[in-house]
Order: sequence, then C-alpha cells, then structure tokens
Amino acid sequence: LAKTTQPISMDSYEGQEVNITCSHNNIATNDYITWYQQFPSQGPRFIIQGYKTKVTNEVASLFIPADRKSSTLSLPRVSLSDTAVYYCLVALSSNTGKLIFGQGTTLQVKP
Amino acid sequence: DVKVTQSSRYLVKRTGEKVFLECVQDMDHENMFWYRQDPGLGLRLIYFSYDVKMKEKGDIPEGYSVSREKKERFSLILESASTNQTSMYLCVTRDRNTGELFFGEGSRLTVL
Repeated sequence: LAKTTQPISMDSYEGQEVNITCSHNNIATNDYITWYQQFPSQGPRFIIQGYKTKVTNEVASLFIPADRKSSTLSLPRVSLSDTAVYYCLVALSSNTGKLIFGQGTTLQVKP
Repeated sequence: DVKVTQSSRYLVKRTGEKVFLECVQDMDHENMFWYRQDPGLGLRLIYFSYDVKMKEKGDIPEGYSVSREKKERFSLILESASTNQTSMYLCVTRDRNTGELFFGEGSRLTVL
C-alpha cells in the first residue's frame, strides 16, 4: 500500500494560489490519486482524482509528474472558506482492502 | 441521494462502559471502514469489512471490535471505553466499481 506524506500545515492569503504536494514514492501501477477536503465537524468530501498528467475541474487542478511519485493539488485564488484539512489518498480504484489516509494538510487562509 | 448515517453525532461515556457506534448505508456497498480522527494524526484505520460477516484489522484495532451482520450496517464496538478513545470516529463506504468513497458525518465520542 502506498504511504503518503504531506506537509502538516500551510498558510495562505485570500486570492493566492495554493499548491499542496503529496509524496507517494511506492505508488503501484494501478493506483489512483484522490484528494479530499474536510471542514471541522464534517466528513471529508471528494475534490479531485487523477492517474497521470493533469486533471482540472471547477474547484481545483491536480498535477501528477510522469513518475507518479508525487502529486500536487492546486487551488486557484483561495478564499477564507477554503480553510480546511486536505487529504491525499492513493489506492487502487477497485481495491477491496485497506484505505490508508495520510496525516492531511491543514490549510489556513488569512484575510 | 446516497447516504452514510452514523447513529450518534455526539456521545459522552464513562470509562469502562461498552460503547456501540453504528453506521448504516443505503448504497449496497460491500466495503465499509471505521476510522478515528485525532488532531495532528489524520485519519487512522481501525477496522474494515469487505462483505457481510467479513472483517479485517486496520492499523489501530486494539481496544475495538466490529460487527457486520447485515450488508448495510457496520458497527464499531468499544468493549470497555477508555479516556484515550476520546476521538472523532468516521464511517466510510466504498463503491467497488468506481472506487468512490462516501463519508458519514462523524461521531464525536468523549470518554470521561
């Protein structure tokens, strides 16, 4: 199972672009990379998922280099409401086994 | 709308009490997971189940047990609650076809 490593915390200001990188050196060939966002007192919610190169949706972009040993979640022009914990998960999409989350990155957006 | 429902959002129990945390899903998912979440430690896997009556230990199973008698219900049991089990407990289900995860709202347990 791929172990993930993320920064514990990050600070940013409103309007800035925020990039959070996750390391997953032993990612397997069939593993996907998924990012989740969690607000206090709520369960995590899906942000974005990718396998390689770049994926973009209405809230974020995900950059995955060719070796897939890391991935970067990019949040454009953050606002105060983006203050949350962000988790990177690496897992086989059809996996029936363990799902191991990392420690998560606490993003604090300041005015 | 798909749903993962945890029976209690907030519980306060005393040391030594037996505690049941229930999780019910209406999506016919085989895979269900129990995590605990503590500040600075992220989500840590306690137990998971990939089918009825099947269970596997996660990374921190000590002090916990689980029950999966029906597909829709996955229960986490603290046989004798201790103060170090004060935490937020999250139930998660997984769609085996898409890999998508669905999260409950969490149960915040305080053991006095």
